[in-house]
Amino acid sequence: NAGVTQTPKFQVLKTGQSMTLQCAQDMNHEYMSWYRQDPGMGLRLIHYSVGAGITDQGEVPNGYNVSRSTTEDFPLRLLSAAPSQTSVYFCASRHRFTGELFFGEGSRLTVL
Amino acid sequence: AQSVAQPEDQVNVAEGNPLTVKCTYSVSGNPYLFWYVQYPNRGLQFLLKYITGDNLVKGSYGFEAEFNKSQTSFHLKKPSALVSDSALYFCAVRGPSGGSYIPTFGRGTSLIVHP
Repeated sequence: NAGVTQTPKFQVLKTGQSMTLQCAQDMNHEYMSWYRQDPGMGLRLIHYSVGAGITDQGEVPNGYNVSRSTTEDFPLRLLSAAPSQTSVYFCASRHRFTGELFFGEGSRLTVL
Repeated sequence: AQSVAQPEDQVNVAEGNPLTVKCTYSVSGNPYLFWYVQYPNRGLQFLLKYITGDNLVKGSYGFEAEFNKSQTSFHLKKPSALVSDSALYFCAVRGPSGGSYIPTFGRGTSLIVHP
């Protein structure tokens, strides 16, 4: 049982480049979400989805785009990378009505 | 709006001593409360949760947490700390229904257990 899988684990981008962080879960969870973690800031919600075809913005959505075409996958797209997007990104999922989140191992992004 | 406060950025404790990591919350309705642990360069792992029932909740790795409704607190505790407990701990809260299905996380508390 793989749980939540994120790729890539590490990425270096130049300002203005675009990229996609991949997230896949094999637990048939309806709810999926993306967080960024920055020192002293805790976890901040970027986007979330309560099911295929349904997405919504979190606390810090600017500069990011998401889609949810299947239950399993929830990719996060950086449209034009900026140094302020240097961070560690976590994908998480859960069954819609139960409590705890299951997190991926993280993707560390550096934007030069 | 819901919120979580973890008033201590860092907690230091000697191995074998009891530890407490503090968390207070604000939410409309009955809270769903969670603790997660993050080891270096890893994702967050679920430790325990309170939804209803006994105010003392037991979780993984010997941790427990006490829900106190009057003080709106959910402090994480362990009777005897281990060096391997050193990690970053996050408290989270969400409300019972609707848009508040989305949890709000605290900023995290770094626990350092000294040998």
